[in-house]
Amino acid sequence: EDKVVQSPLSLVVHEGDTVTLNCSYEVTNFRSLLWYKQEKKAPTFLFMLTSSGIEKKSGRLSSILDKKELFSILNITATQTGDSAIYLCAVEMNYGGSQGNLIFGKGTKLSVKP
Amino acid sequence: SAVISQKPSRDICQRGTSLTIQCQVDSQVTMMFWYRQQPGQSLTLIATANQGSEATYESGFVIDKFPISRPNLTFSTLTVSNLSPEDSSIYLCSVDSWATGELFFGEGSRLTVL
Repeated sequence: EDKVVQSPLSLVVHEGDTVTLNCSYEVTNFRSLLWYKQEKKAPTFLFMLTSSGIEKKSGRLSSILDKKELFSILNITATQTGDSAIYLCAVEMNYGGSQGNLIFGKGTKLSVKP
Repeated sequence: SAVISQKPSRDICQRGTSLTIQCQVDSQVTMMFWYRQQPGQSLTLIATANQGSEATYESGFVIDKFPISRPNLTFSTLTVSNLSPEDSSIYLCSVDSWATGELFFGEGSRLTVL
């Protein structure tokens, strides 16, 4: 059964801390891994990862994929209260060489305290 | 958590036709959400489907193009009408946890319009 598992499910930190969110997956036909930030009803796209070992970076956020060990991490440095959100990981499946459907993890709820 | 089943998982349709996507949840929920996921972009909320009342559409989405039904607390359909290639996308059904605000997603329905 294809699945995406995120950990921890929730996390409370203080402003300025660095956090690492984990996403592991078991899928039969992996195409890409996506990270989203969910604050309201429409999650915001953060990163799409397709290749192992290549870090993607956007400001204080970065992410990397390990296709051998089947996981990805999302790092947030110097956290701010505005980083408080649920972070979703999703794996896009490969379907006959083209894009397939998405499997979402349950998300990590991050709370950043002042 | 909620288990969400979507049908069809993928379809290829001709321009000008319509496709109806079904979403079944394993528990009763007040609100169901329909999203569109285009490659590399954020999930875009199309509408919120409330049982017993008309769906609430987000800016840029209209009922004539995306009619929604919500006959009971566990089921909803989204129809994408008068299809054009620009409608090619993944359409996702989602529900939220009233307790935690987490979003739970179906695996999506991948639509390709020729």
